[in-house]
Amino acid sequence: QVQLVQSGTEVKKPGASVKVSCKASGYTFTSYGINWVRQAPGQGLEWMGWISAYNGHTNYAQNLQGRVTMTTDTSTSTAYMELRSLRSDDTAVYYCAKYSSSSPLAGSLDYWGQGTLVTVSS
Amino acid sequence: DIQMTQSPSSLSASVGDRVTITCRASQSISSYLNWYQQKPGKAPKLLIYAASSLQSGVPSRVSGSGSGTDFTLTISSLQPEDFATYYCQQSYSAPQTFGQGTKVEIK
Repeated sequence: QVQLVQSGTEVKKPGASVKVSCKASGYTFTSYGINWVRQAPGQGLEWMGWISAYNGHTNYAQNLQGRVTMTTDTSTSTAYMELRSLRSDDTAVYYCAKYSSSSPLAGSLDYWGQGTLVTVSS
Repeated sequence: DIQMTQSPSSLSASVGDRVTITCRASQSISSYLNWYQQKPGKAPKLLIYAASSLQSGVPSRVSGSGSGTDFTLTISSLQPEDFATYYCQQSYSAPQTFGQGTKVEIK
């Protein structure tokens, strides 16, 4: 069965960086993309970006351009999301989600990781 | 960016009620519309993809309809496990925006 297992809770100071991992199993990793979505406390869902697990192509949300980098390691079927220059409003649960398509659009987020809480506080 | 607007933001309903949630896109998105259910402390779960296709394992009391700019999610007979927050999401163009959510509470 498809599973996405994310790394654990992180506490960071403003200005620091965080790197969240997402290990996939139960499907052919390189056949689908991975999306990252975050959810601030008590708020809705915010799409952060997409990465192709096949060729590493990315598409980031405009408001995160320059601060976010998404990568994959096909040897371990793991996706990574790094966010730099953290601010207090980056405090959120970060989710990875398998995309149902190999292309960046026209699909759905059919399987999700359990979420990783990132707290940014001085 | 395409704006997704859900209504209502919250509703109270009883077990057995028929519930309808609406999602409106700021421009046409064809049928590239997905619905998710999220329970407190849990990751979202895909219910409906491509506006009206039921994800495997989702009960048949859940259905979706619409195309263009107006979409609906319907639960024909609300069950205790359906009390949750529901989100629509468009996958027509980047960024893939979500609606603000609709919280379904017990009356």
